[in-house]
Amino acid sequence: ETGVTQSPTHLIKTRGQQVTLRCSSQSGHNTVSWYQQALGQGPQFIFQYYREEENGRGNFPPRFSGLQFPNYSSELNVNALELDDSALYLCATRRGGRTDTQYFGPGTRLTVL
Amino acid sequence: SQQGEEDPQALSIQEGENATMNCSYKTSINNLQWYRQNSGRGLVHLILIRSNEREKHSGRLRVTLDTSKKSSSLLITASRAADTASYFCASVVLNDYKLSFGAGTTVTVRA
Repeated sequence: ETGVTQSPTHLIKTRGQQVTLRCSSQSGHNTVSWYQQALGQGPQFIFQYYREEENGRGNFPPRFSGLQFPNYSSELNVNALELDDSALYLCATRRGGRTDTQYFGPGTRLTVL
Repeated sequence: SQQGEEDPQALSIQEGENATMNCSYKTSINNLQWYRQNSGRGLVHLILIRSNEREKHSGRLRVTLDTSKKSSSLLITASRAADTASYFCASVVLNDYKLSFGAGTTVTVRA
């Protein structure tokens, strides 16, 4: 167990809807990153938050947005869901150093119908 | 796009045998990490090797890094059924922070 939790575990939505996924951080971990993992592929970096500010973003459209709260927990919001958004969404937390180990949560499985 | 590629895509071995998988990456890195994933669940960090290191050990795991060839290998010795999982390499490039993953190697250990 990494101490990082995510909710919900599974989620089913329909095209066009909006979804919010949540991630709790390990104590002392002020940096959180979100990844999307499509079936049979490796995770793809969505964005990273450090002390409540987004400080890095991968190749994802603006309908993917996030928040980080003062307790370093985080949310991933996806608007106008598309079928291709179906994936496992993983968050990872770490202490902020660039080479620090990242600790992943168990993921949220999102299915878009 | 993915920074790294693993080889082979899938591996099936007998319990007790060694498993070797390779990873190649495209640009200069700060470090390279290996992760394990069981049945589409969260990723478990196995080992991190920095760009100035050539080999690292952790229990039954041995990782090598060849920066001239932009490649790394993960060796699992004396495999067990519990090692059945997907294994991913992830690189952190210079002046960056995000993990860039390959597509993974699926390892099946037969009892």
